[in-house]
Amino acid sequence: QSALTQPPSASGSPGQSVTISCTGTSSDVGGYNYVSWYQQHPGKAPKVMIYEVSKRPSGVPDRFSGSKSGNTASLTVSGLQAEDEADYYCSSYAGNNNLVFGGGTKLTVL
Amino acid sequence: QLQLQESGPGLVKPSETLSLTCTVSGGSISSSNYYWGWIRQPPAKGLEWIGTIYYSGTTYYNPSLKSRVTISVDTSKNQFSLKLSSVTAADTAVYYCVSSGSYFHFDYWGQGTLVTVSS
Repeated sequence: QSALTQPPSASGSPGQSVTISCTGTSSDVGGYNYVSWYQQHPGKAPKVMIYEVSKRPSGVPDRFSGSKSGNTASLTVSGLQAEDEADYYCSSYAGNNNLVFGGGTKLTVL
Repeated sequence: QLQLQESGPGLVKPSETLSLTCTVSGGSISSSNYYWGWIRQPPAKGLEWIGTIYYSGTTYYNPSLKSRVTISVDTSKNQFSLKLSSVTAADTAVYYCVSSGSYFHFDYWGQGTLVTVSS
C-alpha cells in the first residue's frame, strides 16, 4: 500500500482539463512544499513534470500545473492532448530524509 | 546533460544479494551539484524510493529497506552502485538509477533494468 493516495484512473477528452489528486498527511504532503509529479509512458522511465508543488522544469509545457491545499496536492493538465495519456505519480518528502510515492493514476485521453 | 545507465544481473536467486551499477556520463559523480539514487517499480505497480547518496558519501535509505540496502560511489569509475541483500520474489522489479540537483525530486533517470528474483 502506497503512502500517498491517488485515484487509479482519470480521463478527459482532447482540449479539456483534468485534475489528479494526491492525498497524504500532515507528515508528508501537508508538512512540506516538496511535492513532485512524474509522467510515465508505457515501457519508459518516469519524467518529472512538477517539483516543489508548482514549479515546472524547463521544457515541460505550461499546460501542466501543480498546487496544494492542506494534505492534498493536485496536478492539472489543461488542453489535453493525446500524448498526455500516461501514468502519473506524485511524490512527497515525508521528513527524516524519507521520500514517498503515490500509487499512480492512469490518465486516458478519450 | 547527465546520462545514466544501469547494469547488472537480470536474475538473482532468493536469499542472495542483488547488485546493480549505474554509470554516469555528462557529469562528475564527485560533484556537489548532484544527489544520486535508486528507485524501483515492481511489474505493473508503482514507484518506490530505495535510497540516495550525496557526493560526500552520506547515504539516506527508505526505512522499510534500510536493513538490507547499501548504496556506494566509485569516483574512479564515475559510477554508483546498489546492493540489496536477502532478496525475495517481492524484490522483483525494474530498478532505475536517478539523479538530481535536489534531494526532493529526480531530474535524470536511467532507462531501467528488470531484475527477477527466482530460483
